[in-house]
Amino acid sequence: QVQLQQSGPGLVKPSQTLSLTCSISGDSVSSKSAAWNWIRQSPSRGLEWLGRTYYRSKWFNEYAVSVKGRVKINPDTSKNQFSLQLNSVTPEDTAVYYCTSMDVWGKGTTVTVSS
Amino acid sequence: QSVLTQPPSASGTPGQRVTISCSGSSSNIGRNTVNWYQQFPGTAPKLLIHSNNQRPSGVPDRFSGSKSGTSASLAISGLHSEDEADYYCAAWDDSLIAWVFGGGTKLTVL
Repeated sequence: QVQLQQSGPGLVKPSQTLSLTCSISGDSVSSKSAAWNWIRQSPSRGLEWLGRTYYRSKWFNEYAVSVKGRVKINPDTSKNQFSLQLNSVTPEDTAVYYCTSMDVWGKGTTVTVSS
Repeated sequence: QSVLTQPPSASGTPGQRVTISCSGSSSNIGRNTVNWYQQFPGTAPKLLIHSNNQRPSGVPDRFSGSKSGTSASLAISGLHSEDEADYYCAAWDDSLIAWVFGGGTKLTVL
């Protein structure tokens, strides 16, 4: 069965870059039927989709308008994982971040933006 | 303000049937299928229903989903105390080009 394992720091300073990685087991990041998403959850914003990457003979990325210009989601086929980079973070980016195929979810990473 | 609208709370007694509604628009629920997720405090959401009314393996048949037009519903029959959790609906939005969620419904088993 598919499992997603998240890794990355839980504390990021304001104006710096938040970086998280999601390792996939039981499926392939290059699957032609799956899409790999990052979602965050906070009391003020609820569940908020940030973006996704997926492969359909070529790679596609789609990002939420709320974070467009600050976000990148990249696949790494050699490690069967995908990553999230969110630039220029502020305290408003403090949240629990999840990677998910929308069927299966990672356990979540609590990220706090604070100096 | 969530794109999909859910009641903030619902309640029932053990054995009862409860329903949770999810209202959207023509660009999301009206065109695409709906997922439902169950979330306990401190844990990740878990897929409960996909494709409007399909239960993943392992989800009890007490949980059922339906969709009509731009609205969807989750029904839980034979309520158990362990069903006390937060429930979220989600759908792809063709206009926003994004997954959108409801604000969540906190289910209390009295």
